[in-house]
Amino acid sequence: DVQLVESGGALVQPGGSLRLSCEASGFTFSGYWMSWVRQGPGKGLEWLADISEDGSERNSGDSVKGRFTISRDNAKKSLYLQMNSLRVEDTAVYYCARSSGFNLWGQGTVVTVSA
Amino acid sequence: QAVLTQPSSLSASPGASASLTCTLRSDINVGTSRIYWYQQKPGSPPQYLLRYKSDSDKQQGSGVPSRFSGSKDASANAGILVISGLQSEDEGDYYCMIWHNSASVFGGGTKLTVL
Repeated sequence: DVQLVESGGALVQPGGSLRLSCEASGFTFSGYWMSWVRQGPGKGLEWLADISEDGSERNSGDSVKGRFTISRDNAKKSLYLQMNSLRVEDTAVYYCARSSGFNLWGQGTVVTVSA
Repeated sequence: QAVLTQPSSLSASPGASASLTCTLRSDINVGTSRIYWYQQKPGSPPQYLLRYKSDSDKQQGSGVPSRFSGSKDASANAGILVISGLQSEDEGDYYCMIWHNSASVFGGGTKLTVL
């Protein structure tokens, strides 16, 4: 099956760090740009960052620039999001998605930032 | 002003057609933009519906019924998702997205109610 499976979500205190993972299967992972998108409670979708097929190019949104870092390991067919200096407002469901029009999404992993 | 603006809610009757609009900020030309549409139901990740730039540059998502279609209103600088023959299962949140300045940008979403 073609799928993306996120993991790593947790309850973390403000100022803390967390690393999310996304494992791909059923397609040629190394042939696609990949993205992270989040959705706060009762809110809309917010694109966070994307990364090129070989990891040489990255883009990120203003709300996470300097705090979150996207990376990938094509040998492991995995995408990562390193999140530092977490804030309460980072509480959300975090999705990984295939960037080709976001035509494939994972089920999401929940990150809760709270004291 | 937001890059993409969507009405927060829309109601329509079963069997009718619904037009969901996605208005681009005035400095972004809808005519040259590829607009992507997604459907999201509670507790589930977004699902890709379609992409529309023009009648010669469009793509339907895999398994997406043909009663979902895209169009544009150049005079309003807006992309439109048209859902014909509305069914109760079409209820949900709908998001548009464009690629702008090396970032993927989502609209705030429209909650569609079929009643």
